[in-house]
Amino acid sequence: GNSVTQMEGPVTLSEEAFLTINCTYTATGYPSLFWYVQYPGEGLQLLLKATKADDKGSNKGFEATYRKETTSFHLEKGSVQVSDSAVYFCALSDQGGSYIPTFGRGTSLIVHP
Amino acid sequence: EPEVTQTPSHQVTQMGQEVILRCVPISNHLYFYWYRQILGQKVEFLVSFYNNEISEKSEIFDDQFSVERPDGSNFTLKIRSTKLEDSAMYFCATGPPGHLTRGEGYTFGSGTRLTVV
Repeated sequence: GNSVTQMEGPVTLSEEAFLTINCTYTATGYPSLFWYVQYPGEGLQLLLKATKADDKGSNKGFEATYRKETTSFHLEKGSVQVSDSAVYFCALSDQGGSYIPTFGRGTSLIVHP
Repeated sequence: EPEVTQTPSHQVTQMGQEVILRCVPISNHLYFYWYRQILGQKVEFLVSFYNNEISEKSEIFDDQFSVERPDGSNFTLKIRSTKLEDSAMYFCATGPPGHLTRGEGYTFGSGTRLTVV
């Protein structure tokens, strides 16, 4: 079946540090990959997506590249801000299957001034 | 920006009681979903709903659970006889026509934290 594995959190960084949150996946078909973000007290929001191998999704300074050879979709940002503190969820939607997204556990990011 | 609204934000209930969680979707969205996240665990799919019927459900969504859209606006999740292990954050999500086949994401509500005591 499909699954998503994210690195354990919390990830604690100082402002302007480089961020990487690892995500690897297992899928039976040809998945689309997503990163969602959940700010405190809010719902999950789509941050970025990639629909095929080697695509790079980007938004708000975050980016992630769909790596089929390593089955990964790691989230990166060159310089984090305090306002980036949130929980980040990696997800996949198997275009060859039921389409219903499968989510990871979420990784909490805490950015200190 | 349009929002998905969930109520209540937090509910505490006694074991064995029935609870109803409510969701108001974005007006032009036709696909509705419930997910849950037990503390520290994955966000798990429960059920999808389209055209007034369940289109897909997971193993978690057993006879204890039901969904409906009683008045054409609210989308509800009912848990008939709550158990301690039902304590979780429950998320409603909605999507416009074709959102999944286009590889698009959902719009989520902010969740209802259910605590069963």
